[in-house]
Amino acid sequence: DARVTQTPRHKVTEMGQEVTMRCQPILGHNTVFWYRQTMMQGLELLAYFRNRAPLDDSGMPKDRFSAEMPDATLATLKIQPSEPRDSAVYFCASGPPPGGQGWDQPQHFGDGTRLSIL
Amino acid sequence: QKEVEQDPGPLSVPEGAIVSLNCTYSNSAFQYFMWYRQYSRKGPELLMYTYSSGNKEDGRFTAQVDKSSKYISLFIRDSQPSDSATYLCAMSVVRSPGNQFYFGTGTSLTVIP
Repeated sequence: DARVTQTPRHKVTEMGQEVTMRCQPILGHNTVFWYRQTMMQGLELLAYFRNRAPLDDSGMPKDRFSAEMPDATLATLKIQPSEPRDSAVYFCASGPPPGGQGWDQPQHFGDGTRLSIL
Repeated sequence: QKEVEQDPGPLSVPEGAIVSLNCTYSNSAFQYFMWYRQYSRKGPELLMYTYSSGNKEDGRFTAQVDKSSKYISLFIRDSQPSDSATYLCAMSVVRSPGNQFYFGTGTSLTVIP
């Protein structure tokens, strides 16, 4: 059963440190999404890639967050410097090519990285 | 006002009950409507999606979209303890270069044996 793999599953670090989260999308999926989930805000879209090109990163604080896809099997989300308000669960999701109707589907989610910034 | 509103619950029902989960939205441009199920400490999994208005059925699950009222529903028949999870609605509009997605905050459901 194909899965989206995220590493690390948990990360605790001090404020000001760099945090890197990694995602391996499902083979053959050409869209990748990064989401942040908190109790207060729910799921928020941070970044969205299609064929490794960024399509939307308007939900991401640009001064400290960056998202990249160095190749089709790896997506990264970095926070530098990290702050306590970044504490959340970060999810990566991937989706297949959109098909005729042009709709990208965040179809498969990984199990997330639980990030705590002290 | 949030783009998508969802009652957080919690909702608790006896096994075998029919469950109704709902979301309202404000953006009439939304075209795709999705329901995700999220178990504790897991990522959301896509349950169903529909395009535009109407009903869609898959086993014990039925998704309904009423675009005139900006209201979507998920019905679960013969609910089981394994249905206990948080249910998230989501909506999307196709745009160029990239589509826009919005999620509800989720409704927590417990099915009591």
